Amino acid sequence: NAGVTQTPKFRVLKTGQSMTLLCAQDMNHEYMYWYRQDPGMGLRLIHYSVGEGTTAKGEVPDGYNVSRLKKQNFLLGLESAAPSQTSVYFCASSYPPGTGLWQYFGPGTRLTVT
Amino acid sequence: DAKTTQPPSMDCAEGRAANLPCNHSTISGNEYVYWYRQIHSQGPQYIIHGLKNNETNEMASLIITEDRKSSTLILPHATLRDTAVYYCIVRVAQGGSEKLVFGKGTKLTVNP
Repeated sequence: NAGVTQTPKFRVLKTGQSMTLLCAQDMNHEYMYWYRQDPGMGLRLIHYSVGEGTTAKGEVPDGYNVSRLKKQNFLLGLESAAPSQTSVYFCASSYPPGTGLWQYFGPGTRLTVT
Repeated sequence: DAKTTQPPSMDCAEGRAANLPCNHSTISGNEYVYWYRQIHSQGPQYIIHGLKNNETNEMASLIITEDRKSSTLILPHATLRDTAVYYCIVRVAQGGSEKLVFGKGTKLTVNP
């Protein structure tokens, strides 16, 4: 089991460029999440998905789009990157909430927008 | 949504117990308390969770007060590898889905 993987690990973009971050999980989880982490801010939820073909907004969705075409993949897109989107991005996945909800996280993608 | 309050930082000597407190005075009756940790530059890692009874697993123990307004995560024999930011989270449920809201956590430093 690879768990949760993220591609790429590092990326530098110029302002206005676009890119897609890929998250993949092999645990057959229904739920998937994208977070960003900035220094001193903790993790903030960008978007999440409760199943294939569905997505929902989190705390800080502006400037990002997501898609969940396959159950195992969750894509995060930046259409026009801005310096404020410089951050570390973490993807996570989980089973549907029942008596507990714990999430498995990927290793992160470090994005710098200049 | 129930919010949590944690001290920003704590120190602990290697081999001693680390007791990390968390206040969640507005917790609802059906909300769980979760603990995660994040070792430098890595993705967060689930540690333990509980509703109202004390819980123990191979990593830690979770003590929840009877009124459920606070809890304590206990690492019984802290090692240098336990140096990390520890997050106390109360599960929220909105619109039929459930998501975790992370705060700033407690930075635990285990000293040799």
